Amino acid sequence: QKEVEQNSGPLSVPEGAIASLNCTYSDRGSQSFFWYRQYSGKSPELIMSIYSNGDKEDGRFTAQLNKASQYVSLLIRDSQPSDSATYLCAVKRGSQGNLIFGKGTKLSVKP
Amino acid sequence: DADVTQTPRNRITKTGKRIMLECSQTKGHDRMYWYRQDPGLGLRLIYYSFDVKDINKGEISDGYSVSRQAQAKFSLSLESAIPNQTALYFCATSEQTGTGDGYTFGSGTRLTVV
Repeated sequence: QKEVEQNSGPLSVPEGAIASLNCTYSDRGSQSFFWYRQYSGKSPELIMSIYSNGDKEDGRFTAQLNKASQYVSLLIRDSQPSDSATYLCAVKRGSQGNLIFGKGTKLSVKP
Repeated sequence: DADVTQTPRNRITKTGKRIMLECSQTKGHDRMYWYRQDPGLGLRLIYYSFDVKDINKGEISDGYSVSRQAQAKFSLSLESAIPNQTALYFCATSEQTGTGDGYTFGSGTRLTVV
């Protein structure tokens, strides 16, 4: 089992819809969880971090964490064409560990 | 100025040549990382450094070496470049302890080995 798994997509949603991106991880000792957005040919950009079970909202983005089920998700409300990018899930073991990245989910928002 | 600066942005080199990619940061972070990204393979860790005297291999260190010249500088070298080292390379930094805010990435170096 890969350490951090994401559906590679592409995930296609119409403009204005909710995009739901999912990520599962294998290490139960993981404590910190991050979502990065990466436009083609550009560097990853941190958009959300979450450390506790439940939901965390920031504007149109909501991160959800369920440690018992070992999954983390990202919801994007009112999706815009500018949200079209690859979304990387990253998981950190403890406070000292390195980030482990999933391979990313490509999102396409159609006008 | 960018917090994490990578040079060069693009480079084409020939097989067998030695090449160095440079990274400097103004974040004041102790930890620095080198990743390569290939289509379908995601980000893979090459080397990382927790401070000037601490260098560690990542999952794909063969064919690469690094130098941490100062807290703010971390260089990646390809001793004898080969075509399958063609990739997008990223430098990243992070805080030393705690959950932190994840990594801050440089803009990347697109390397082509012909």
